[in-house]
Amino acid sequence: GAVVSQHPSWVICKSGTSVKIECRSLDFQATTMFWYRQFPKQSLMLMATSNEGSKATYEQGVEKDKFLINHASLTLSTLTVTSAHPEDSSFYICSASTGTTSTDTQYFGPGTRLTVL
Amino acid sequence: TQLLEQSPQFLSIQEGENLTVYCNSSSVFSSLQWYRQEPGEGPVLLVTVVTGGEVKKLKRLTFQFGDARKDSSLHITAAQPGDTGLYLCAGLYNAGNMLTFGGGTRLMVKP
Repeated sequence: GAVVSQHPSWVICKSGTSVKIECRSLDFQATTMFWYRQFPKQSLMLMATSNEGSKATYEQGVEKDKFLINHASLTLSTLTVTSAHPEDSSFYICSASTGTTSTDTQYFGPGTRLTVL
Repeated sequence: TQLLEQSPQFLSIQEGENLTVYCNSSSVFSSLQWYRQEPGEGPVLLVTVVTGGEVKKLKRLTFQFGDARKDSSLHITAAQPGDTGLYLCAGLYNAGNMLTFGGGTRLMVKP
């Protein structure tokens, strides 16, 4: 149980295009979903936290107009990288949690590798 | 901003050797987690420690939470090539569920 999927797993796009990444909780309802970015040989950096039906909370330094997050249902959150540039190339990972407290485990997706040419 | 420092950043050892990875912060954790991540995949949770002084074992892996809940360690006994990967500690502060990740320790175990 507690499986989180991401789609696509790998995407290559041209500079200036927008890319949408989906994060789904397959067998549980996710009250909260998190989006992380991981550059090569580095750790995970939290980009934003989203709760179902409300606006996402972005971490300092993350442009909310560039990284659009939609958490429209309890099983789906999407991250859209608008007008992508080569510096946006990274490994994007989502996680989903059943609650909002420290006792609620985060379940991580397999990640989406974005390459912007 | 809470910072989690992991050391060492890189570790290359021979099969059969023991190793310890450290995770330190100046802030108190409400709980701390250790993850292992393989290239091109998401992190996989290994353990969660909650109580100061707590020790948990997972086969050849031993996790310890400091008494003051500001630090943790991961000890691997008789490392095997299958242990190769990126080990990440992540802390939860106060009552929220936002994880702060350490910088990671990249482990390579040579046969």
